[in-house]
Amino acid sequence: GDSVTQMEGPVTLSEEAFLTINCTYTATGYPSLFWYVQYPGEGLQLLLKATKADDKGSNKGFEATYRKETTSFHLEKGSVQVSDSAVYFCALSPGGSYIPTFGRGTSLIVHP
Amino acid sequence: DTGVSQDPRHKITKRGQNVTFRCDPISEHNRLYWYRQTLGQGPEFLTYFQNEAQLEKSRLLSDRFSAERPKGSFSTLEIQRTEQGDSAMYLCASTDSYYEQYFGPGTRLTVT
Repeated sequence: GDSVTQMEGPVTLSEEAFLTINCTYTATGYPSLFWYVQYPGEGLQLLLKATKADDKGSNKGFEATYRKETTSFHLEKGSVQVSDSAVYFCALSPGGSYIPTFGRGTSLIVHP
Repeated sequence: DTGVSQDPRHKITKRGQNVTFRCDPISEHNRLYWYRQTLGQGPEFLTYFQNEAQLEKSRLLSDRFSAERPKGSFSTLEIQRTEQGDSAMYLCASTDSYYEQYFGPGTRLTVT
């Protein structure tokens, strides 16, 4: 079945450091790919998405590129802030399905 | 619109008791989802509705779990004869889009 694998956390960085959170997936067909973010005490929020190979999703300084050849969708940000501290979830929706599969989440902690 | 709301936010119950959770989606959204999330894991799909019709249930979902969305608006999730393994965060999400789901803050269930 479909699956999403994320790097284990927590990822601990200093403010203004470069962030990469790795995500790889297994799916049949051509899924859409997502990153969601969950701040403490809140529900998940969509951060960015990409719907086909080579698409780049971006939002709030975060970026991720849909790489079909490596089945990856790594999340990057050039300069993190303390306010980026949260749990980040990679997810996919198979083509033609409304049911997403989520990864386990990666906790990001940013220190001043 | 205030987003997706869930009630209660926390529930403590004794093993063997029944519990019911409520989700109020964003008003114009026709699809509503229930997920379960345990510590260190991503959301796990339980079931979803298109308007009042329950279109899919996870094969892993015990028959002690039942969900309704009687008028295509709010939804309830009932767990009968709770077990300690049911302790988790129960998330609701709604959408009118193929891509983005809007999550509520969740109901945390503790079974003692």
